[in-house]
Amino acid sequence: EVQLLESGGGLVQPGGSLRLSCAASGFTFSTYVMNWVRQAPGKGLEWVSSISDNGGDTFYADSVKGRFTISRDNSENTLFLQMNSLRAADTAVYYCAKPLSDYHHFDYWGQGTLVTVSS
Amino acid sequence: EIVMTQSPVTLSVSPGERATLSCRASQSVISYLAWYQQKSGQAPRLLIYGTSTRATGIPARFSGSGSGTEFTLTISSLQSEDFAVYYCQQYYNWPLTFGGGTKVEVK
Repeated sequence: EVQLLESGGGLVQPGGSLRLSCAASGFTFSTYVMNWVRQAPGKGLEWVSSISDNGGDTFYADSVKGRFTISRDNSENTLFLQMNSLRAADTAVYYCAKPLSDYHHFDYWGQGTLVTVSS
Repeated sequence: EIVMTQSPVTLSVSPGERATLSCRASQSVISYLAWYQQKSGQAPRLLIYGTSTRATGIPARFSGSGSGTEFTLTISSLQSEDFAVYYCQQYYNWPLTFGGGTKVEVK
């Protein structure tokens, strides 16, 4: 059974940093592009970042480029999102998402971890 | 960036009736279009990918159609568990983008 378990969310002040983790199991993690998608309270879904199966290629939404860094540890089946210079607009539930195949639509999602940026 | 626009924002439907949801892309996404269902407090659930292919376990009452810039999700006979928010997503190119969502509510 595929499982994605996010952790690392919490309350942080504007300008602060957080590191999110997503522990994956039930599939061959090292062969999939992995993704972060977020959802601000009461709002829609926003793709944040993706990383290729070997970590060599990364992609970011303009809204987080230069502030967030996606990475992965295939030996530990874990996906990360390092978030720096956090803003109130980054407040959201952050989901880890696995694609169905080589294409970037997502058949499995974690339960999400809430990041709140507030003073 | 490809902008995805969903309509209507809210759709009021009676159980057993048909629901038709629309998604428009600001430029062609060919058929690289997915639909998700999200219930309150839950993660999204993949319904449809490749415009019209149902994901594993999705009932046949859900169907998708369209191509290029105009897409439709149809729920043929709404069940109680179908009242939720639905999102479309293009995965033709970066950045991946979602529509703003359509809330299907009980009439």
